Amino acid sequence: DQQVKQNSPSLSVQEGRISILNCDYTNSMFDYFLWYKKYPAEGPTFLISISSIKDKNEDGRFTVFLNKSAKHLSLHIVPSQPGDSAVYFCAAGNAGNNRKLIWGLGTSLAVNP
Amino acid sequence: NAGVMQNPRHLVRRRGQEARLRCSPMKGHSHVYWYRQLPEEGLKFMVYLQKENIIDESGMPKERFSAEFPKEGPSILRIQQVVRGDSAAYFCASSPPMDKPYEQYFGPGTRLTVT
Repeated sequence: DQQVKQNSPSLSVQEGRISILNCDYTNSMFDYFLWYKKYPAEGPTFLISISSIKDKNEDGRFTVFLNKSAKHLSLHIVPSQPGDSAVYFCAAGNAGNNRKLIWGLGTSLAVNP
Repeated sequence: NAGVMQNPRHLVRRRGQEARLRCSPMKGHSHVYWYRQLPEEGLKFMVYLQKENIIDESGMPKERFSAEFPKEGPSILRIQQVVRGDSAAYFCASSPPMDKPYEQYFGPGTRLTVT
């Protein structure tokens, strides 16, 4: 039962263009969402989060959009850089559920020079 | 400010042996989480601990796996009588007690190989 789904296993984008990574969830009890970036042989690195009371959060080149009615969130990276090439994970949690995060399977982003 | 430390980075065990994985959280963090990542899969929650307490172990296999976070020292994930299916990357994360508790900071992981 995959409660957090990242339906695109991979994405290829040209340097300088926008990267859009998508994530869908099924559990309406989730009230916060996070994006992590992961390089091979390293642990995930926290990127950006959003609470369910918001529909947008921005941090530099990274913006996360949340559409609660569609149970969908997306991460926008503008402009994309070759160093952004990594696997991106979407994770979701519920404040009343002991901070346990449920993770998607990840999307591998390749930014081509 | 050192990040989350995990050791060893790589661990090879024969079937039936015990594996001990250690995690030192970031300074000031009192919450520790263990996750497992199997090949070609996302991270799966295993257990959430605070100092001397297991808060949520709903993701831990019922047998052979145990975790602790003592008052002093690192958190330990212990796998007894390892089997080939235990081969995976095990990640530890920590978070601060109050401020932005949902942001978890990860260590580099321990890659366990069972031969």
